[in-house]
Amino acid sequence: QVQLVESGGGLVKPGGSLRLSCAASGFTFSDYYMSWIRQAPGKGLEWVSYISSSSSYTNYADSVKGRFTISRDNAKNSLYLQMNSLRAEDTAVYYCARGGRVGELPFDYWGQGTLVTVSS
Amino acid sequence: QSVLTQPPSASGTPGQRVTISCSGSSSNIGSNYVYWYQQLPGTAPKLLIYRNNQRPSGVPDRFSGSKSGTSASLAISGLRSEDEADYYCAAWDDSLSGHWVFGGGTKLTVL
Repeated sequence: QVQLVESGGGLVKPGGSLRLSCAASGFTFSDYYMSWIRQAPGKGLEWVSYISSSSSYTNYADSVKGRFTISRDNAKNSLYLQMNSLRAEDTAVYYCARGGRVGELPFDYWGQGTLVTVSS
Repeated sequence: QSVLTQPPSASGTPGQRVTISCSGSSSNIGSNYVYWYQQLPGTAPKLLIYRNNQRPSGVPDRFSGSKSGTSASLAISGLRSEDEADYYCAAWDDSLSGHWVFGGGTKLTVL
């Protein structure tokens, strides 16, 4: 069965950095676009970024462009999100989700999420 | 605020039919598919409806979706207590370089 397991969340000071990871299993990881989606405490969902199956294409929400970098390692079935210059408004649960390519099924599987708290 | 507009709350009694609306624009709902996600308390979202009105395997046929112009709706018939959750609509938005957008979410309460 498809499994997505995020890790790497935690408490970080404003201006700091954090790297999230997502370990995928149960499907051919290299065949799929992958995305990060976040949810601030008590708030709705916000798409953050996606990456194509071969890493050729990436796309970011304006709110994180220039600060966050998505990447993947198909040999390790892993997805990453490097987050720099973190702000209080980046505090959220970050979900790894399968898909994101237009025309294909988006976000059909989600991980359990990892909490990122940005606070001094 | 969210690009897609949903009512913040909805409610119904067991057995009733409820609908949740999602309003967008020509750059998102008006020209792309709509997707719906269900988020039970304390859990990750789950895909409920794809391509406007299709149900993934395992989703009961009590759940149905529709789209007209720049708006979409999720209908839940035969409401059950386990349907109490947050519901989100989503669509691709063609503006700028293109990006995914979500509604603000609707909290469904089963009375």
